[in-house]
Amino acid sequence: EPEVTQTPSHQVTQMGQEVILRCVPISNHLYFYWYRQILGQKVEFLVSFYNNEISEKSEIFDDQFSVERPDGSNFTLKIRSTKLEDSAMYFCASSELHLPDTQYFGPGTRLTVL
Amino acid sequence: AQKVTQAQTEISVVEKEDVTLDCVYETRDTTYYLFWYKQPPSGELVFLIRRNSFDEQNEISGRYSWNFQKSTSSFNFTITASQVVDSAVYFCALSEADTGRRALTFGSGTRLQVQP
Repeated sequence: EPEVTQTPSHQVTQMGQEVILRCVPISNHLYFYWYRQILGQKVEFLVSFYNNEISEKSEIFDDQFSVERPDGSNFTLKIRSTKLEDSAMYFCASSELHLPDTQYFGPGTRLTVL
Repeated sequence: AQKVTQAQTEISVVEKEDVTLDCVYETRDTTYYLFWYKQPPSGELVFLIRRNSFDEQNEISGRYSWNFQKSTSSFNFTITASQVVDSAVYFCALSEADTGRRALTFGSGTRLQVQP
């Protein structure tokens, strides 16, 4: 069964450093998403991406965040200058084009900012 | 205001007991979708079910069943004859689709512990 994959599974970085989290969505899906989950809290939407542009973003997704689909398979989330409060699990998800859609999530990347 | 409320923070049951996880949502959209996801201790989010706002039929899948009631804005999830492998955090989520939005709004989750 096709699945969303994410790398790395765990990333440790120093405050102020840039990180790039990578995702490979399900191959026939056209909508891509990033969510984050601070430890012990609820899952929060960051951004959705379709047709090479952002279609929706939340208040959390400020100028330090960016997303990109650099090639036909990868979808990345870049955090430019990490802060301690960026420590969280970051989930990538993908879904088909037409509504109703179901978002299928990857296993997550745990980001630890020291 | 919370759009998805899961008032039960944690539930503990003994194996073979039935358990119901509550979810209450709030939206002004006429078209919306409701979801349940399971997050086992390993951390991934596993899709369980999607329901659209026009379909109030209850659904059963094995030991799992879902009760969607628009009149009370609730979408509750029942596990019959619970098993230890059901131990996880369960999230209810809402997608408001009148304007084509797809972002999921999650509830705060209910941690289910099934004791042997």
